[in-house]
Amino acid sequence: AQKVTQAQTEISVVEKEDVTLDCVYETRDTTYYLFWYKQPPSGELVFLIRRNSFDEQNEISGRYSWNFQKSTSSFNFTITASQVVDSAVYFCALRADNYGQNFVFGPGTRLSVLP
Amino acid sequence: DSGVTQTPKHLITATGQRVTLRCSPRSGDLSVYWYQQSLDQGLQFLIHYYNGEERAKGNILERFSAQQFPDLHSELNLSSLELGDSALYFCASSKAGNSPLHFGNGTRLTVT
Repeated sequence: AQKVTQAQTEISVVEKEDVTLDCVYETRDTTYYLFWYKQPPSGELVFLIRRNSFDEQNEISGRYSWNFQKSTSSFNFTITASQVVDSAVYFCALRADNYGQNFVFGPGTRLSVLP
Repeated sequence: DSGVTQTPKHLITATGQRVTLRCSPRSGDLSVYWYQQSLDQGLQFLIHYYNGEERAKGNILERFSAQQFPDLHSELNLSSLELGDSALYFCASSKAGNSPLHFGNGTRLTVT
């Protein structure tokens, strides 16, 4: 079975602080894909990043960075110098095969960035 | 803009009624997924279609059904509605198996 855990239900930071959102996953498959999505207060779900299980290189995109560690089954997301516009619910997701219910979402972490 | 279109944006109806939610996937995407998000809840997977065929079912109630048509658009039918069915219903589409899901803006259903 596949499972995604986001232990942090809610996080509050002050603008310009760095913040890391944790994601821990479980799967028995050797080939899988991990995703992060952002859901701002307006409600839409925005795709942020995809990482496959064979690529453990960290990725940086502007103020966003992702740390993938297979040894700890984690795919953490860091926002550097947070801004109020980063306030949203962030979902981590796992896809482990090509058939069936193959996108498993974590419960989400609500990030509030205070001015 | 994700390219996934969901209609209507808002729907208010009474208990016991039946509604149909519509989704047009991104051009070229063969897979359509439906998710339910209740207030302050996570995303609950309902059903997945690929090129017109049902591929997987999640925690979808028997009162709910869906289909994907030859032009690849999909409809989610909710019947005998209950207050607890009030939620945001998302449709998402994707290309190949490892492609990300691209979500529509959702249909907010309110059952009164």
